[in-house]
Amino acid sequence: DGGITQSPKYLFRKEGQNVTLSCEQNLNHDAMYWYRQDPGQGLRLIYYSQIVNDFQKGDIAEGYSVSREKKESFPLTVTSAQKNPTAFYLCASTNLDRGFIYGYTFGSGTRLTVV
Amino acid sequence: EDKVVQSPLSLVVHEGDTVTLNCSYEVTNFRSLLWYKQEKKAPTFLFMLTSSGIEKKSGRLSSILDKKELFSILNITATQTGDSAVYLCAVAEYGNKLVFGAGTILRVKS
Repeated sequence: DGGITQSPKYLFRKEGQNVTLSCEQNLNHDAMYWYRQDPGQGLRLIYYSQIVNDFQKGDIAEGYSVSREKKESFPLTVTSAQKNPTAFYLCASTNLDRGFIYGYTFGSGTRLTVV
Repeated sequence: EDKVVQSPLSLVVHEGDTVTLNCSYEVTNFRSLLWYKQEKKAPTFLFMLTSSGIEKKSGRLSSILDKKELFSILNITATQTGDSAVYLCAVAEYGNKLVFGAGTILRVKS
């Protein structure tokens, strides 16, 4: 079955450590996205990528980094520079049709907790 | 700055009630408005609206878009406990991403 897989589901990090969240899709989607979700704040865009080896900052990119070496994969690294990383992280993907998005397919999310 | 505002932020109703969730937006190059339901993990797609005044229905859920007044509503009739979730509104611009509202938390009590 086609889909988008995030791992791990739960992640605990000590302050000062970098951690990497995995996102893999087998939908042959061009574009991939990382969102952060905090209670009462909806989804905020961290980074997105429309093509391999290219990505753009979203609204809250500080303290995060990404790579897009393969079409299927878009890992997110939460660095020690991110001041408040405890949150629920969602990865999404879609195809772009002449720049029009028909909606996302979401992964199941990773809940990151700093201890 | 592009903005999507949902109201109310949270809502508690009893089974059988009808609820209306609101979404207003200010974006450039509007292409479509989407509604998602999020229970615990991944948001699941409900509706995509592109034209004003055309109601979309799926069972007890329906939604309509007003492009002149820049808002959409999501109606749920005869609510059930399984409708308890966060409902997210998002707007797609011509380009490359969705802009999300903060969501409405709906709790249906039995």
